[in-house]
Amino acid sequence: AQSVTQPDIHITVSEGASLELRCNYSYGATPYLFWYVQSPGQGLQLLLKYFSGDTLVQGIKGFEAEFKRSQSSFNLRKPSVHWSDAAEYFCAVVFNTNAGKSTFGDGTTLTVKP
Amino acid sequence: DVKVTQSSRYLVKRTGEKVFLECVQDMDHENMFWYRQDPGLGLRLIYFSYDVKMKEKGDIPEGYSVSREKKERFSLILESASTNQTSMYLCASSAARNQPQHFGDGTRLSIL
Repeated sequence: AQSVTQPDIHITVSEGASLELRCNYSYGATPYLFWYVQSPGQGLQLLLKYFSGDTLVQGIKGFEAEFKRSQSSFNLRKPSVHWSDAAEYFCAVVFNTNAGKSTFGDGTTLTVKP
Repeated sequence: DVKVTQSSRYLVKRTGEKVFLECVQDMDHENMFWYRQDPGLGLRLIYFSYDVKMKEKGDIPEGYSVSREKKERFSLILESASTNQTSMYLCASSAARNQPQHFGDGTRLSIL
């Protein structure tokens, strides 16, 4: 079955440290991949997306993600975390463009220590 | 800029009431979605629509219905509200089926 897994429910990092949030999917072909961020009390905002081409994609707020076909992964990274990055992060996948539904991971909550 | 507006940020209703959640987008998007978000369960798709007057069931449609009479408006209806429908409800829209979704700020619904 098609699925999206974010293995880490909660991650804590110190301000200025690097960050990597993991996302794995189960699918035979290359899907459309997205990362969203949700600040408390708000909806989700798109950070970046991958459709094809260069496997390292840049997004807003200094985030980047790398698609690795062999590992079925799309991990989100940031070299230096800011306190304002504290939020919940969701990986989302569109497996079949004919259906067009996004399947979301369960989210990773990021806490930033001063 | 893209805008998805949900009519209420907070809503309190009683069990058995018929509840309407409204969502409007100003981007001329074809596709609109309703999700509910619960702690530990992530986002779950309730219904979606690819065109006016069209609707498709998502993963958890039971107890809900939708209406899309105009392209910009997608309404979620709780036919007879129950306490297990207390949740955060998020509306989203997208330009095409493989394009990113734009989300409203959500409606936190409490059913007493």
